[in-house]
Amino acid sequence: EDQVTQSPEALRLQEGESSSLNCSYTVSGLRGLFWYRQDPGKGPEFLFTLYSAGEEKEKERLKATLTKKESFLHITAPKPEDSATYLCAVQPIYNQGGKLIFGQGTELSVKP
Amino acid sequence: SQTIHQWPATLVQPVGSPLSLECTVEGTSNPNLYWYRQAAGRGLQLLFYSVGIGQISSEVPQNLSASRPQDRQFILSSKKLLLSDSGFYLCASHRDSGNTIYFGEGSWLTVV
Repeated sequence: EDQVTQSPEALRLQEGESSSLNCSYTVSGLRGLFWYRQDPGKGPEFLFTLYSAGEEKEKERLKATLTKKESFLHITAPKPEDSATYLCAVQPIYNQGGKLIFGQGTELSVKP
Repeated sequence: SQTIHQWPATLVQPVGSPLSLECTVEGTSNPNLYWYRQAAGRGLQLLFYSVGIGQISSEVPQNLSASRPQDRQFILSSKKLLLSDSGFYLCASHRDSGNTIYFGEGSWLTVV
């Protein structure tokens, strides 16, 4: 069964304290792996799509990496405005394009 | 990029009343459209998707239905709401070219 597991469920950091969020996945064939940021009461905001093991993408303080079994979202020197829930989702190769399988999310809190 | 509008943003409905949530997409044509539901503290669950006008596929059996009367309009409906229908409903749009999946701002439904 295809599934996505994110850890930790919640993460509290001090401003400037770098860390990583994990997304482990099991899927028969991977077309893409997506990372989204979601603020309370808002829709998910697209961050990255990764397609193959070894691929990396960066945006400001965020860097996403992908292996055959997991993805990491690295946050370097976070700021309070990085506080949000980060969602990981896989796009199986056999699925119609927008049918994603989501993890439960990691709630990140960055304190000044 | 695409913009997805959802309304209403928030509604409180009594058990047994009807429901209509609307989603419209700007900035693209012939998108694949999706309705997801997000229960509190949980990941997103796909409810319906549509690859074209009048074409609807249901992912889970439930009290809801969907319709696509126009290329960039997607509607989620119910004839009689249940308490378990409460949640955060998200509309999403995807096109194979670019393979990015965008979400709207969501509609909060509370059934009382």
